[in-house]
Amino acid sequence: QVHLQESGPRLVKPSETLSLTCTVSGGSLSNYYWTWIRQPPGGGLEWIGYIYYTVSTNYNPSLKSRVTIAADTSKNQFSLKLTSVTAADTGVYYCARSSGSRRWFDPWGQGTLVTVSS
Amino acid sequence: IVMTQSPATLSVSPGERANLSCRASQSVSGNLAWYQQKPGQVPRLLIYDAFTRATGIPARFGGSASGTEFILTISSLQSEDFAVYYCQQYNNWPLTFGGGTKVEIK
Repeated sequence: QVHLQESGPRLVKPSETLSLTCTVSGGSLSNYYWTWIRQPPGGGLEWIGYIYYTVSTNYNPSLKSRVTIAADTSKNQFSLKLTSVTAADTGVYYCARSSGSRRWFDPWGQGTLVTVSS
Repeated sequence: IVMTQSPATLSVSPGERANLSCRASQSVSGNLAWYQQKPGQVPRLLIYDAFTRATGIPARFGGSASGTEFILTISSLQSEDFAVYYCQQYNNWPLTFGGGTKVEIK
């Protein structure tokens, strides 16, 4: 059974870069789409983007200029970098898996709350 | 594609039936999923391809569709079903979610 776990700093200063890692256990990165999703406090869900194995990425246009998703197959991890953060980027960040045309998300990581504050 | 869920809050008594609506701003074919999220928990996949229950999801959860409107029906609400429900379309990029419907105890 595949398990995902997010890790990274919980507090980021405004204008700096948010960096998170998702560690995948119980399966490899190949043949799946590895995704980041976020949720502001009390708010809804926003798809950030995905990486397919190490081959291709696709980002939400609303965040595209600030987002990079990368994968490290040797560690079975994928990562998120979001630059120039503001308070509006505060929220719970989830990693999740989808596959091919089956672009729903299952499973999800537990999520990590990242706060942007000085 | 904008996904609009209604109502924002639905007050239902245990044992009653609940119908949650999700309307897409344009056709998404049947490429729609539903998730349940309880406070402090991770979203849980309920339904995909508009109608198909995910593994382990009870039969009281059902999905239906008519054009660009999708309905999640909970046939007889149990105490563990009080939560926020989100729809998600995966027909077009970017993938988008609805704003959620909170199902609360009446």
